[in-house]
Amino acid sequence: GAGVSQSPSNKVTEKGKDVELRCDPISGHTALYWYRQSLGQGLEFLIYFQGNSAPDKSGLPSDRFSAERTGGSVSTLTIQRTQQEDSAVYLCASSLRHGQGIRKETQYFGPGTRLLVL
Amino acid sequence: RKEVEQDPGPFNVPEGATVAFNCTYSNSASQSFFWYRQDCRKEPKLLMSVYSSGNEDGRFTAQLNRASQYISLLIRDSKLSDSATYLCVVKGASKIIFGSGTRLSIRP
Repeated sequence: GAGVSQSPSNKVTEKGKDVELRCDPISGHTALYWYRQSLGQGLEFLIYFQGNSAPDKSGLPSDRFSAERTGGSVSTLTIQRTQQEDSAVYLCASSLRHGQGIRKETQYFGPGTRLLVL
Repeated sequence: RKEVEQDPGPFNVPEGATVAFNCTYSNSASQSFFWYRQDCRKEPKLLMSVYSSGNEDGRFTAQLNRASQYISLLIRDSKLSDSATYLCVVKGASKIIFGSGTRLSIRP
């Protein structure tokens, strides 16, 4: 079956431009997560959705970052006025459900979007 | 202090050796714990969940110590293919924290 897909796989943009990253979770997965990973660093949690709602947006690094999810499926992460420090791999993951026990919380990751801000 | 801390390594051990990693967490209300594996330039993949009573999956054993707030991963009879970065994951009600990872390199 299809796994988590993300697009674009690579994005090069100029400082100050807006970018939109897309994530298609595994069908039937109600929880969706966004992370970013800088070169050689660990994963930084950004936000998660249970259904269409995001209970906690405090992980977003600044107000230039926003995320939405409509229809309980596809999610987009938008970065406005990109800065060079936004360059990273943005990873999306999905799980059956958040907070319903270990078996439903296993996250399956997409291949990521490699963002480079010049 | 970081919410989840791991020794970054690298751990460089010979094939067949036993190696263990620890991961400490600061939030006593944390609910779920996992070990993920990440190969170079690849996405993380679940290695195993960590149950309160400890659990084993083949050569891998995971333990949780809530009193001391750490989880551990033991790899027995290590293989060359075990070379990767091992990420500790701690989940609360609304937050998921990944450790920075421990790099493991298995040499022939």
